[in-house]
Amino acid sequence: GAGVSQSPRYKVAKRGQDVALRCDPISGHVSLFWYQQALGQGPEFLTYFQNEAQLDKSGLPSDRFFAERPEGSVSTLKIQRTQQEDSAVYLCASSLSGSRISEQFFGPGTRLTVL
Amino acid sequence: AQSVTQPDIHITVSEGASLELRCNYSYGATPYLFWYVQSPGQGLQLLLKYFSGDTLVQGIKGFEAEFKRSQSSFNLRKPSVHWSDAAEYFCAVGADQGAQKLVFGQGTRLTINP
Repeated sequence: GAGVSQSPRYKVAKRGQDVALRCDPISGHVSLFWYQQALGQGPEFLTYFQNEAQLDKSGLPSDRFFAERPEGSVSTLKIQRTQQEDSAVYLCASSLSGSRISEQFFGPGTRLTVL
Repeated sequence: AQSVTQPDIHITVSEGASLELRCNYSYGATPYLFWYVQSPGQGLQLLLKYFSGDTLVQGIKGFEAEFKRSQSSFNLRKPSVHWSDAAEYFCAVGADQGAQKLVFGQGTRLTINP
């Protein structure tokens, strides 16, 4: 398909484990975003890439969260030493433009449950 | 900093009735406004957006929204809802400076009575 894909769709981790969440944006999209959506809440911004450059990581909740997009396409969000409060749906979005705000296309999300 | 308030957490309407979902934003400059819909287990789908121009915006699935600068509002409307409209609706505001991140409201859950 031509949409944003994320894997895995569901992830269960024991507290203290490291996890890696993958995002495949729409081909050719310059901008890539990660959001965290807690149960019953709206998505909250985590970090933003323009091509391979991470231009804003102000939303990352702690230094246990790390994101990368080394070749300007696929991105990985890594969470080290997971805690129960990390349980949420992690949404990835991409947009065509790198210079002006434009529509963001969202993936289906990865639901992370930390036990 | 931008913020979005959706005053109604949950709304129930009958099929065929009209719908209005409220959204108020706070932003110092010209806002870029969006409405997204999220069905269970799905990602967010864009219904419509306002960047500039005509303040009445038409979207997909028969939805429309009106930007009212004086009221800092961007309410979503539909004249006649269908059972398939049951979902979670999110209003969001974006800035055209710096990061293009979106700030979302808490969402309004829409239930449709048959």
